Amino acid sequence: QKEVEQNSGPLSVPEGAIASLNCTYSDRGSQSFFWYRQYSGKSPELIMFIYSNGDKEDGRFTAQLNKASQYVSLLIRDSQPSDSATYLCAVNRDTGRRALTFGSGTRLQVQP
Amino acid sequence: EADIYQTPRYLVIGTGKKITLECSQTMGHDKMYWYQQDPGMELHLIHYSYGVNSTEKGDLSSESTVSRIRTEHFPLTLESARPSHTSQYLCASSEFLAGGGGETQYFGPGTRLLVL
Repeated sequence: QKEVEQNSGPLSVPEGAIASLNCTYSDRGSQSFFWYRQYSGKSPELIMFIYSNGDKEDGRFTAQLNKASQYVSLLIRDSQPSDSATYLCAVNRDTGRRALTFGSGTRLQVQP
Repeated sequence: EADIYQTPRYLVIGTGKKITLECSQTMGHDKMYWYQQDPGMELHLIHYSYGVNSTEKGDLSSESTVSRIRTEHFPLTLESARPSHTSQYLCASSEFLAGGGGETQYFGPGTRLLVL
């Protein structure tokens, strides 16, 4: 079992719809959770982080965390073609070594 | 947000050459990382450093080496490049989040390496 699991996709949604990206993790000691967006050929850029159970909203993005079920999700409202990218989930397992463990990413395609 | 710089951005080189990929950051971050990523594939951690004179190998075995003589500088070296080294190399540094949220990583623009 991978430490951080994501469906590779592609997840295809029409423009204006809500895109829902999911991530599960195996280490119950994980403390904080991050979503990165990576356009093809570019480096990952941080878009959100969350470390408390519940929802965290930032513009069109909402991160949801459920530590009991060990999953974290990212909702993108009013999806735009410019949101088409690979979304990487990352987990902070501890603050000592190797800050983040990355999932393999979900490719999102927003159809105009 | 961190300012992380990588040079060169693109490199085409012949087999057997020695190359050094440069990475520097201006935020004074202690922790820095090197990742390797093939197109459409996941990130693989190959090296990391907790500070000056501290380097560790990552999850993916790599023939590259790193050094950390200055806080802001974390170069990666391949003594003898091979076609199997063709990939994208991403450098990152990390900072602690306010409020006890742990650390997050910021990435440089990457170096695309092609070994012929």
